[in-house]
Amino acid sequence: GAVVSQHPSRVICKSGTSVKIECRSLDFQATTMFWYRQFPKQSLMLMATSNEGSKATYEQGVEKDKFLINHASLTLSTLTVTSAHPEDSSFYICSARDEGAGSLNEQFFGPGTRLTVL
Amino acid sequence: LAKTTQPISMDSYEGQEVNITCSHNNIATNDYITWYQQFPSQGPRFIIQGYKTKVTNEVASLFIPADRKSSTLSLPRVSLSDTAVYYCLWGDPSNSGYALNFGKGTSLLVTP
Repeated sequence: GAVVSQHPSRVICKSGTSVKIECRSLDFQATTMFWYRQFPKQSLMLMATSNEGSKATYEQGVEKDKFLINHASLTLSTLTVTSAHPEDSSFYICSARDEGAGSLNEQFFGPGTRLTVL
Repeated sequence: LAKTTQPISMDSYEGQEVNITCSHNNIATNDYITWYQQFPSQGPRFIIQGYKTKVTNEVASLFIPADRKSSTLSLPRVSLSDTAVYYCLWGDPSNSGYALNFGKGTSLLVTP
């Protein structure tokens, strides 16, 4: 299947700093990417839908000014956690939708980024 | 994608066939059923997708009855490495805004 990468895989930062997470589709183009957050022992929670060339769509309860999303190209979306606090510590996962010819429009997920805010 | 109903957990021994059933009573005409597998600290991995009857790939089979209100993921001869959480989801993949809303999933434990 198609490959989605994330960078970094793990990050530790101090409270109050900002952290940027990159999500790349390596062998296909994605006009739509999604960002999820997963706390320990819980399921994935959709945070926002990232649209190439336009503003992201955020789920209810997700602060758009705190979680900045930029989808500047068809292979890259970034999530910036601004002024991070310990409660933002979580596993952040992105996915990209393969809309290419012959695909099933399935979503492929990145390996995730473990964020720890001290 | 709407949330689903599936067992919270299942146990199996190595070498057995495991069937995980998911209920989706309100599935819409254009919706497909998709199953994902997730290991701890990894992103979910696509397993199989289907619309009706039976779909089989190198990893699993997916059985969908005529009314499509449920589906069963079948894992043949599981091994220890199949221990993971399995998520059932449904929705219209042709919809560009199609986002996956994960339920709690089924935590499968395979033991020797």
